[in-house]
Amino acid sequence: DQQVKQNSPSLSVQEGRISILNCDYTNSMFDYFLWYKKYPAEGPTFLISISSIKDKNEDGRFTVFLNKSAKHLSLHIVPSQPGDSAVYFCAASLNNQGGKLIFGQGTELSVKP
Amino acid sequence: DGGITQSPKYLFRKEGQNVTLSCEQNLNHDAMYWYRQDPGQGLRLIYYSQIVNDFQKGDIAEGYSVSREKKESFPLTVTSAQKNPTAFYLCASNSVNEQFFGPGTRLTVL
Repeated sequence: DQQVKQNSPSLSVQEGRISILNCDYTNSMFDYFLWYKKYPAEGPTFLISISSIKDKNEDGRFTVFLNKSAKHLSLHIVPSQPGDSAVYFCAASLNNQGGKLIFGQGTELSVKP
Repeated sequence: DGGITQSPKYLFRKEGQNVTLSCEQNLNHDAMYWYRQDPGQGLRLIYYSQIVNDFQKGDIAEGYSVSREKKESFPLTVTSAQKNPTAFYLCASNSVNEQFFGPGTRLTVL
């Protein structure tokens, strides 16, 4: 039972345009969501997060939107840069589960010059 | 220079041999985690530990074992009972609402 889903395995975007990565979840009790970026043969690095009490969080070129009624979150990158090319994972957690994260399958973003 | 170290980066073993993957952190985090990543799949939780001398099974614990004798260390043993051990293994530790990951170990069983 996949509680966190990223239905697009890949996304290709032109440099300078907006990249939108999507994530859906099934458990309405999740209260914290994170996005990680991962290069091949490296560990994921934290990108941005959002609490369930908010619907938007922005950090530079990265913005995460949360739609609780739709159980959907998205990561917007604008403008996209070639260095953003990586696999992006969304993850969700429950406050009472000691920090356990449940990850989506990942979306591979390719930003073309 | 705080962080999580995993060694080795690449590991090759013959089928039927047990192998132990190292994970060390100097972030003073209580909780540590082991994940496995396979192509086209997300990170799947193998084992986690929220405190020294205590650990719990994750979603895919069969064929793996762990120990947590020290706060800084959380080694993972891949046993011969693990039917498909070739994968990329990631160790992580927890701050408040954020997990920090090590660089990973690529295990290949020949």
